[in-house]
Amino acid sequence: GQNIDQPTEMTATEGAIVQINCTYQTSGFNGLFWYQQHAGEAPTFLSYNVLDGLEEKGRFSSFLSRSKGYSYLLLKELQMKDSASYLCAVNRGNTPLVFGKGTRLSVIA
Amino acid sequence: EAGVTQFPSHSVIEKGQTVTLRCDPISGHDNLYWYRRVMGKEIKFLLHFVKESKQDESGMPNNRFLAERTGGTYSTLKVQPAELEDSGVYFCASSHPRTEQYFGPGTRLTVT
Repeated sequence: GQNIDQPTEMTATEGAIVQINCTYQTSGFNGLFWYQQHAGEAPTFLSYNVLDGLEEKGRFSSFLSRSKGYSYLLLKELQMKDSASYLCAVNRGNTPLVFGKGTRLSVIA
Repeated sequence: EAGVTQFPSHSVIEKGQTVTLRCDPISGHDNLYWYRRVMGKEIKFLLHFVKESKQDESGMPNNRFLAERTGGTYSTLKVQPAELEDSGVYFCASSHPRTEQYFGPGTRLTVT
């Protein structure tokens, strides 16, 4: 079966750094997506990791270790607008994404 | 470039009624996906179109759900008759082959 685990909720302070972890066990793996979803809105694409290592994109970075079935999303210099759900999703090829339940991040002053 | 659009944004129907959801993908995207998120659960795949053909419909819950994509452009998802457990948010996404999927804002379906 497909299994993707991420923490349900996290809280962090404005200006701080937060790391959201994701572990996965799936039949097939072509890459891992991170999406951000604000309440009532569409999930929006943040990053896509295919190879091992760290991908940096502004305040957001994403890391992948395929041998460990592990990824994390790193958010730096947190802003209040970063309060949202962060979804980890595995791409198994030309097949639909398999999603985790999402991590609800609350940024507090 | 316009994003993925979905209609309606919210639908409230009674058990036993029929509802049709519509998705307009990004122009030029051959791949179209339907997903559903039930309260408290993860987003789950329903089916995948490549142009007008159903590539994978393994996620469709049962035969009360019917999806079409005539002409390979917009898609509809009909639920007939609706049951209480069908309540949730239905997302549509589209993509080029082997690239990131762009999601629509979703249709929140409430069956009472």
